[in-house]
Amino acid sequence: NAGVTQTPKFQVLKTGQSMTLQCAQDMNHNSMYWYRQDPGMGLRLIYYSASEGTTDKGEVPNGYNVSRLNKREFSLRLESAAPSQTSVYFCASRDGTGIYNEQFFGPGTRLTVL
Amino acid sequence: QQPVQSPQAVILREGEDAVINCSSSKALYSVHWYRQKHGEAPVFLMILLKGGEQKGHEKISASFNEKKQQSSLYLTASQLSYSGTYFCGTDDMEYGNKLVFGAGTILRVKS
Repeated sequence: NAGVTQTPKFQVLKTGQSMTLQCAQDMNHNSMYWYRQDPGMGLRLIYYSASEGTTDKGEVPNGYNVSRLNKREFSLRLESAAPSQTSVYFCASRDGTGIYNEQFFGPGTRLTVL
Repeated sequence: QQPVQSPQAVILREGEDAVINCSSSKALYSVHWYRQKHGEAPVFLMILLKGGEQKGHEKISASFNEKKQQSSLYLTASQLSYSGTYFCGTDDMEYGNKLVFGAGTILRVKS
């Protein structure tokens, strides 16, 4: 099992450009998450999907959109990138109702917006 | 709302002990602990549940005080491999299946 995979691993964008970060999991998990990690700020939740067909905003959703394409895939889109979106982005997934199960993280995407 | 972790950073020598604390302004249903090595993804350490259940690594111990809405992670006889950033995450059942993390505690173990 590959677990949680993310593409790309690195990306450099210019201000105003758009891009989509891809995430897939092969553990048959119901819930999937997108976090951003900035120095001193920890992991901040951008969006999450508790189950296929549903998405909800997290702590810092502005400037992002998500799509839960199917049970395996959850993508994050930046429509018009800004330097403030320079960060490391982690996708994660979790099984069942979640409360008794740990979260599995992907390797991360390091994004720089110039 | 992010849980609050303390201390922000701690430096230990091998064999010393450390305690990392996590507190929330909301009622906690569960607390998760993760460790992240530099340049890597966070890795699961432990879950503590309301009511006393725990699930996690044998060598890691933690407590969960439901009334105080606090959890503590105990690292005893620290090893060099314990170095990293420790995050607590809290489950907010009000919104259903959403894990919110604190800002992290940087732990460095020196030889």
